[in-house]
Amino acid sequence: QVQLQESGPGLVKPSETLSLTCTVSGGSISSYYWSWIRQPAGKGLEWLGRVYSSGSTSYNPSLKSRVTMSVDTSKNQFSLKLNSVTAADTAVYYCARDSRYPYYYMDVWGKGTTVTVSS
Amino acid sequence: EIVLTQSPGTLSLSPGERATLSCRASQSVSSSYLAWYQQKPGQAPRLLIYGASSRATGIPDRFSGSGSGTDFTLTISRLEPEDFAVYYCQQCVGSPYTFGQGTKLEIK
Repeated sequence: QVQLQESGPGLVKPSETLSLTCTVSGGSISSYYWSWIRQPAGKGLEWLGRVYSSGSTSYNPSLKSRVTMSVDTSKNQFSLKLNSVTAADTAVYYCARDSRYPYYYMDVWGKGTTVTVSS
Repeated sequence: EIVLTQSPGTLSLSPGERATLSCRASQSVSSSYLAWYQQKPGQAPRLLIYGASSRATGIPDRFSGSGSGTDFTLTISRLEPEDFAVYYCQQCVGSPYTFGQGTKLEIK
């Protein structure tokens, strides 16, 4: 079955860029949408945006100016970049498969990776 | 942005009891776009219900979803020890997708 694994630095300095990659195994990245979600410690879930296997994207307006998502079909990976980070960006970051048509939901999730923003 | 408000914030029940969790949307949401997730400490969310009422693969039939428009409900008919967790509703209409703030289901 399809599995997702997030990877990237666990510590990022304020004002720098957070970069994470999600590797898809057990299935193809093609013809699916892929989302990023984050969760600060003890808080709820926030959807950051999604990328389609073609590269088209949709971002949460609250982050739109700072976020970039991309896909590398040759590596079966998709990525998140969040620039100008602050302590408020400290969270567990999840990647998920975003299923659509006729129903919309996230049915496969990575285990999550903790990112701390601190100098 | 569609705001989802879940109630109660915390629900204290005993194993074997029935749990009813509510999710209210700030504007109408098509059932196709409404999902429920379960999250246990240290784990990623797990899809329970999609399309407001369809159980995801492998989800026991004690979990059921209902509702339409702005009011949706997740019901757990007979609580098992492993059901005590945090539950989130999510809507996927347009952008951004949003989640409710969660209902914590705790053992009484």
